[in-house]
Amino acid sequence: EAGVAQSPRYKIIEKRQSVAFWCNPISGHATLYWYQQILGQGPKLLIQFQNNGVVDDSQLPKDRFSAERLKGVDSTLKIQPAKLEDSAVYLCASSLERLSYGYTFGSGTRLTVV
Amino acid sequence: SQQGEEDPQALSIQEGENATMNCSYKTSINNLQWYRQNSGRGLVHLILIRSNEREKHSGRLRVTLDTSKKSSSLLITASRAADTASYFCATDPGGGSYIPTFGRGTSLIVHP
Repeated sequence: EAGVAQSPRYKIIEKRQSVAFWCNPISGHATLYWYQQILGQGPKLLIQFQNNGVVDDSQLPKDRFSAERLKGVDSTLKIQPAKLEDSAVYLCASSLERLSYGYTFGSGTRLTVV
Repeated sequence: SQQGEEDPQALSIQEGENATMNCSYKTSINNLQWYRQNSGRGLVHLILIRSNEREKHSGRLRVTLDTSKKSSSLLITASRAADTASYFCATDPGGGSYIPTFGRGTSLIVHP
């Protein structure tokens, strides 16, 4: 079984620029999550999709962050404009059902904003 | 939100020793999950224990759950240098609301 694919692996941008991350979950996994992990902290949920619908985005800074999951498969997370405090690893995870039997995480995208 | 908090924050042991880390949470749960994260990588699911289970084993891993104390422990027996990683717990409160959250994790260093 292929894992959760994320790209790019690393990204360095200047503040106020925009950036996009891509995630391809495991085939058949209906639920997809985006997490932000700042160095030394645990992952923080940004948004949760069930198929192509948003289940929860209460912790997504909507003034600068946006996410979509077209056709209920791949997902993109965008930041525009980026701030220094957005420097973090952005993790995508998927699970078979919303009442999770355990998530499968991708390797993440390490974003550095300078 | 349903947040698990791991302790200790850091643990340093010698190869061959056992490592125990704990997770506490605040409200009732449907299940609790443990994850490992190697430096610079994503999280790997280790084990899931349901609220009606008290103990679960997987290889060198042993997880216990005490719902009366709202706590869980992860025991790694006969640790290896490759077990060096951060370990996180996550809780599922069940019901209609599910915001999976993680604590800061326990950073485990196993010295060869």
